[in-house]
Amino acid sequence: GQQLNQSPQSMFIQEGEDVSMNCTSSSIFNTWLWYKQEPGEGPVLLIALYKAGELTSNGRLTAQFGITRKDSFLNISASIPSDVGIYFCAGAHDNFGNEKLTFGTGTRLTIIP
Amino acid sequence: KAGVTQTPRYLIKTRGQQVTLSCSPISGHRSVSWYQQTPGQGLQFLFEYFSETQRNKGNFPGRFSGRQFSNSRSEMNVSTLELGDSALYLCASSPGLKPYNEQFFGPGTRLTVL
Repeated sequence: GQQLNQSPQSMFIQEGEDVSMNCTSSSIFNTWLWYKQEPGEGPVLLIALYKAGELTSNGRLTAQFGITRKDSFLNISASIPSDVGIYFCAGAHDNFGNEKLTFGTGTRLTIIP
Repeated sequence: KAGVTQTPRYLIKTRGQQVTLSCSPISGHRSVSWYQQTPGQGLQFLFEYFSETQRNKGNFPGRFSGRQFSNSRSEMNVSTLELGDSALYLCASSPGLKPYNEQFFGPGTRLTVL
């Protein structure tokens, strides 16, 4: 099945560092979503983006909807131990929950003590 | 408000058997979507039900089926299990016809096929 290209695949950083990851697609999406998944749990929505060029923050997290509608970016500032997990981007062709989500391949974030 | 509930949380089956997984959405939610998560293929959409009707379907063989009941609870069934069906099966519920930030995932059912 189709997956979005997400990079990097994994990151090893020290506490306090900033993190950047991105997601690209060969097709246009009208909604971009960023999720975090921890072991034994389902994905939890972090940020939802509904408009090209939109920049949205949620605490230390900031995500942007690329102007081409084919990419999105997630930044985490001043990382802390609880940021550990797998981050997924997802795209949808509509804005109203009527379409399936296409997920990225995930970025595994590890914080080195 | 209770979250999305999936039962069972863990399941072990052998090849050729069939399995039924259950998802109870958040109270008031009418849409349930199912996803398969594997290390190799990532998260793949299976199907979505809204008010007991299948609205969207992914690219999975006919061995994968689902249904939704009048109380919005949903089940998915996999017949003639194959080793490759081992995965985490996630369901997500939403009110339906609402933005994606109102959709919530359950913890998943971990299916192991031996």
